[in-house]
Amino acid sequence: NAGVTQTPKFQVLKTGQSMTLQCAQDMNHEYMSWYRQDPGMGLRLIHYSVGAGITDQGEVPNGYNVSRSTTEDFPLRLLSAAPSQTSVYFCASSYSEWGVGYGYTFGSGTRLTVV
Amino acid sequence: GIQVEQSPPDLILQEGANSTLRCNFSDSVNNLQWFHQNPWGQLINLFYIPSGTKQNGRLSATTVATERYSLLYISSSQTTDSGVYFCAETGVSGNKLVFGAGTILRVKS
Repeated sequence: NAGVTQTPKFQVLKTGQSMTLQCAQDMNHEYMSWYRQDPGMGLRLIHYSVGAGITDQGEVPNGYNVSRSTTEDFPLRLLSAAPSQTSVYFCASSYSEWGVGYGYTFGSGTRLTVV
Repeated sequence: GIQVEQSPPDLILQEGANSTLRCNFSDSVNNLQWFHQNPWGQLINLFYIPSGTKQNGRLSATTVATERYSLLYISSSQTTDSGVYFCAETGVSGNKLVFGAGTILRVKS
């Protein structure tokens, strides 16, 4: 049972490049979400999804795009990387009831540096 | 959106000591959760506790929703308890989890 798998673990991008962070879960969870973690701060929600075909913005969505075509996968796209997007990114999946997530499982994170 | 305040920001304990971590919230408490991030960055969901008290081994959590705060108790601390503890809450949004800045715990042997 793999849980939540995030790839890649490390990535260096040049300003203006685009890329996709991959996230896959094998627990049949409806709720999936992406967070970024910056030094000295808690996690901040970027985008989330309550089921296939349904996504919504979180606290810091600018510069990121998501889609959810299957229950298992929830990729995060950086459209045009900026140094301000240097961060550690976490994907999570969870059980949900009435759209509220609980019992979260996190991926191991992606450390992204934009130069 | 909801504001989440954690205290203390830093805590150093000798192995075997007990500790209490606190979270205060600016809005109604509906979906409170506690997380632990170990020194290698892995995040674990400890408790889902919108109200009342729960216990899991040496850890227990209490949420007083009417007063908008939650407490995490760690008893007989071990070096493996080191890391960062986060609380998070959605408030009235119901599905946008907002994290506090965390409490950094260091347990010394």
